[in-house]
Amino acid sequence: AQRVTQPEKLLSVFKGAPVELKCNYSYSGSPELFWYVQYSRQRLQLLLRHISRESIKGFTADLNKGETSFHLKKPFAQEEDSAMYYCALKAGGSNYKLTFGKGTLLTVNP
Amino acid sequence: GAGVSQSPSNKVTEKGKDVELRCDPISGHTALYWYRQSLGQGLEFLIYFQGNSAPDKSGLPSDRFSAERTGGSVSTLTIQRTQQEDSAVYLCASSLALSGEAFFGQGTRLTVV
Repeated sequence: AQRVTQPEKLLSVFKGAPVELKCNYSYSGSPELFWYVQYSRQRLQLLLRHISRESIKGFTADLNKGETSFHLKKPFAQEEDSAMYYCALKAGGSNYKLTFGKGTLLTVNP
Repeated sequence: GAGVSQSPSNKVTEKGKDVELRCDPISGHTALYWYRQSLGQGLEFLIYFQGNSAPDKSGLPSDRFSAERTGGSVSTLTIQRTQQEDSAVYLCASSLALSGEAFFGQGTRLTVV
């Protein structure tokens, strides 16, 4: 079974502070991990994926297989980062099931 | 179309009635997903399709829920004898089978009164 855990429902930081949104997963194979973001009144959209190893809007995430984690980080939060963030796992091989965590609502205060 | 399209955008129905929610995926996307989004529950997996078949229906909450996909394109999610606890936003997404990136529709907000 595949499972994604986001331990924080809410996270509040001040503008310019570092932010880390935690994500842990459970899966026996080699999954793909993603972060999706939903801004107010917008569709859910992909933020980044672990295989591309890129930084999007200043966010990065490193897959740690030993700790089965895929935490999302940004060194200096901006007000426009306020949104709901979902960590997601796609099973490998021929299984395309995409499982999401419950999400973390990030609020960046001025 | 340019993106995933869901209809209707909003649906208010009386308890006990049946509803059908429609999803038009991006052309050529073989994988199609249905999720339910509600406060405090995040994004709850319902079912996904590879082509017209559904390898995983494990997320459907009860036998009142069913989904089908025809021609490898449009999908409908049907909820029979709706209950108030079915009220939520139902999201559809599609992806190229091997890519993993899912593109989401705007959702259908279902309210059961």
